[in-house]
Amino acid sequence: GESVGLHLPTLSVQEGDNSIINCAYSNSASDYFIWYKQESGKGPQFIIDIRSNMDKRQGQRVTVLLNKTVKHLSLQIAATQPGDSAVYFCAEKPHAGNNRKLIWGLGTSLAVNP
Amino acid sequence: DVKVTQSSRYLVKRTGEKVFLECVQDMDHENMFWYRQDPGLGLRLIYFSYDVKMKEKGDIPEGYSVSREKKERFSLILESASTNQTSMYLCASRGGGASYNEQFFGPGTRLTVL
Repeated sequence: GESVGLHLPTLSVQEGDNSIINCAYSNSASDYFIWYKQESGKGPQFIIDIRSNMDKRQGQRVTVLLNKTVKHLSLQIAATQPGDSAVYFCAEKPHAGNNRKLIWGLGTSLAVNP
Repeated sequence: DVKVTQSSRYLVKRTGEKVFLECVQDMDHENMFWYRQDPGLGLRLIYFSYDVKMKEKGDIPEGYSVSREKKERFSLILESASTNQTSMYLCASRGGGASYNEQFFGPGTRLTVL
């Protein structure tokens, strides 16, 4: 069945280091792959998305990589800061069928140590 | 900035009570969503609406209903609350066009059913 899953449920990094959050997906027929960040006590917040015909997209301090060969998505955060501590969700927007709703991953918790 | 507000941050109800969760957005978005979030299960879509008076079942609609009488307001109704509906409930809205992948979330309502 369709699923969007995560390699690591928790990730701990030192402040200033780069973070890499991974996500594996099984549905190849998706238009977009998307990352959200959820801070404690708040709803998820959109970070960045990547279209399925791209391999890489950069934002402010973040880079998303898409490897369609192995169905793998990653979010790289440069110079991780304490404010980056949150749960990160990957999600995908299906191309076919009901594409009004997203397929969500289970989330990875990122803890930044000072 | 888009603002999505939810009527309560915390709510305690008794088994069998009828519960209304209200969500209001101020950006004239066509699409609105109700999710529940439970530890280890990520975000699960209950219902969504793509227009006034239009609704569509998500992945876990059982035990819930929704109402969208005005564009800015989307209500989630638990007809007869049960203890297994104790959860965090998140509302989101989304526009169209270039912002299709960006859902804007409210802060959530933590519902406890005793």
